[in-house]
Amino acid sequence: DQQVKQNSPSLSVQEGRISILNCDYTNSMFDYFLWYKKYPAEGPTFLISISSIKDKNEDGRFTVFLNKSAKHLSLHIVPSQPGDSAVYFCAASSSGGSNYKLTFGKGTLLTVNP
Amino acid sequence: DAGVTQSPTHLIKTRGQQVTLRCSPKSGHDTVSWYQQALGQGPQFIFQYYEEEERQRGNFPDRFSGHQFPNYSSELNVNALLLGDSALYLCASSSRSGWNTIYFGEGSWLTVV
Repeated sequence: DQQVKQNSPSLSVQEGRISILNCDYTNSMFDYFLWYKKYPAEGPTFLISISSIKDKNEDGRFTVFLNKSAKHLSLHIVPSQPGDSAVYFCAASSSGGSNYKLTFGKGTLLTVNP
Repeated sequence: DAGVTQSPTHLIKTRGQQVTLRCSPKSGHDTVSWYQQALGQGPQFIFQYYEEEERQRGNFPDRFSGHQFPNYSSELNVNALLLGDSALYLCASSSRSGWNTIYFGEGSWLTVV
C-alpha cells in the first residue's frame, strides 16, 4: 500500500524551462510534506517543505504547491538548470510533536538538457 | 562541521550472516532514524532512536535492530541476512527544532550474496 505516489518515473526538460514534478498521497493524516533531491552516491538533500496550513511555499527557483482536497502536491523549478538533474523524492509525515517518520514516494528522475 | 557520517560505505555479506552499520549524526542533533532504500524505490523507514530508545518502528521484522549511544551515534544490526536485504541503508539525523533539520548521510550499500 503506497501512501505517497510519484507516478512519473522520469521527466526530461530543456534548460531554462519549467520542471513540474508531481506527487499524490492517500493518507489524510499527512500534514507536512517535503521534497528531497538525490544525486547518485549521495544521500537525499532537503529542498523545500510545506505545511498543510499553506497551499504554496517558495524558495528561490523552487516552489511547492499543495492541494489538500485533491491530496496532491507539486514541485516547480523555474528556470531549470542542468545541475538540477537528479532524482527527486516527495516525502510526507503526520505531525505530533517530534514525529520525524517520513514516508517517501519512489522518486522521479529529472533530466535537464542543455 | 561534519554532517551525517555512515560506515562502511559498501559491504558484501553472505546469506545468513549478520551485519552492523554505523551512523554519527550531525553535530547538535539528538535523533537518528534509519531507512532502507531498495533499487528503484524510495527510502522506507526502519526505526528511530531518541534518548537511546527506539521511539518508532516501521514495518520491518525483528531481524532489524538498533542501538543509540550516549553520544547520539547509532548502529543498525541485521541478523540472518536475506538476499532481499540488499539495499542502500540511509541514516538521517535531526533535532527537535524543525523539519528542515533532517539531514541524511550518504548511505551504506549492502549486497547480500
